[in-house]
Amino acid sequence: NAGVMQNPRHLVRRRGQEARLRCSPVKGHSHVYWYRQLPEEGLKFMVYLQKENIIDESGMPKERFSAEFPKEGPSILRIQQVVRGDSAAYFCASSPLAGGPGTQYFGPGTRLTVL
Amino acid sequence: KQEVTQIPAALSVPEGENLVLNCSFTDSAIYNLQWFRQDPGKGLTSLLLIQSSQREQTSGRLNASLDKSSGRSTLYIAASQPGDSATYLCAVSYNTDKLIFGTGTRLQVFP
Repeated sequence: NAGVMQNPRHLVRRRGQEARLRCSPVKGHSHVYWYRQLPEEGLKFMVYLQKENIIDESGMPKERFSAEFPKEGPSILRIQQVVRGDSAAYFCASSPLAGGPGTQYFGPGTRLTVL
Repeated sequence: KQEVTQIPAALSVPEGENLVLNCSFTDSAIYNLQWFRQDPGKGLTSLLLIQSSQREQTSGRLNASLDKSSGRSTLYIAASQPGDSATYLCAVSYNTDKLIFGTGTRLQVFP
């Protein structure tokens, strides 16, 4: 019974390159959340998606960041033209219901390092 | 602004002690509150979830209480063990989507 899967677990990019982070939710979950954890800080919400829809992107930086959750396949967090300040751990979570009695199930994270 | 604060930021105790970790939130109209554990370089493990209508939840040596009116939650760890060493995160939700996290309490339990 697989939980939330994220890949890659570690990603190194040079400034100006693109980073693509993937998240496969728990089977049957249709809600996906992305969070970012900067060094020595707590997790900050970025975006909440349902299949083919962005529900809340209030935590997403206005430029260079985008997210999608297609009908088929994993959710993708895309960062264009990465800068050193993008270095962080990016966590994905999924849930079966929107804010229902269940919890959000978190993946192991992708640690992005920008050189 | 909806904020979550955790104190202390770090705690180092000998094995066997009973511990209290504190979490406070500025907006008391929460939907639910969760306590998570995060091990270095790892993801988050949900420990306890308290719905807004509940006062406490227990799981093994862990007990979490919630006082909505005062905007506070405590996580009580009984008879601490070295394996409890981790960062403990408190998170609240106000509606059907995002969690708002505190910055965590880094706990070290030494033998």
